[in-house]
Amino acid sequence: DAKTTQPTSMDCAEGRAANLPCNHSTISGNEYVYWYRQIHSQGPQYIIHGLKNNETNEMASLIITEDRKSSTLILPHATLRDTAVYYCTRPSNSGGSNYKLTFGKGTLLTVNP
Amino acid sequence: DAGITQSPRHKVTETGTPVTLRCHQTENHRYMYWYRQDPGHGLRLIHYSYGVKDTDKGEVSDGYSVSRSKTEDFLLTLESATSSQTSVYFCAISDPPLSGGLLEQFFGPGTRLTVL
Repeated sequence: DAKTTQPTSMDCAEGRAANLPCNHSTISGNEYVYWYRQIHSQGPQYIIHGLKNNETNEMASLIITEDRKSSTLILPHATLRDTAVYYCTRPSNSGGSNYKLTFGKGTLLTVNP
Repeated sequence: DAGITQSPRHKVTETGTPVTLRCHQTENHRYMYWYRQDPGHGLRLIHYSYGVKDTDKGEVSDGYSVSRSKTEDFLLTLESATSSQTSVYFCAISDPPLSGGLLEQFFGPGTRLTVL
């Protein structure tokens, strides 16, 4: 299965940028990287995805290194409501009909007042 | 929300009894997934379906079976529940990736299962 590596936990001060790293050194050329987050006991929620260019949406920015072996999710102005587990993931298989995501343990981001 | 419900939301059962969890969607998405979430393990994929009557195993499929006889329903069955299957179970739905690669999964509210 696809593998990503993330720190177990991180802290961030409210109003500051939160930078969450992810290592995906075995990613292949046509595989996207996805980021989801899970707040408390709710189901995970999609944040952003990317292939090789940096991406930005209303929730976050995604910076992917040129060799695509790692990426960083950036929450530009973290709020207390951003406290959650953040998952970096990629599809286990590409092509065919077997589209699925495996999530791992993610990073617990705690935003402090 | 993406029109996905799970039932029951909470269940307590005894070891050795069969248990069926239901995931129901109103979005007509092609793919459906079952995950379990346990402390220290994150989210782990149990089984998934890529179409009616088309299913495949995930990371932790032992002790679980699934069925999908129609687009809107995906059932997860524990034939003989064990205490190690005490967990929170999440269902998710999605469609095949769009041209921009988006594989956005929408998750249900979860089912908390306790096996005594």
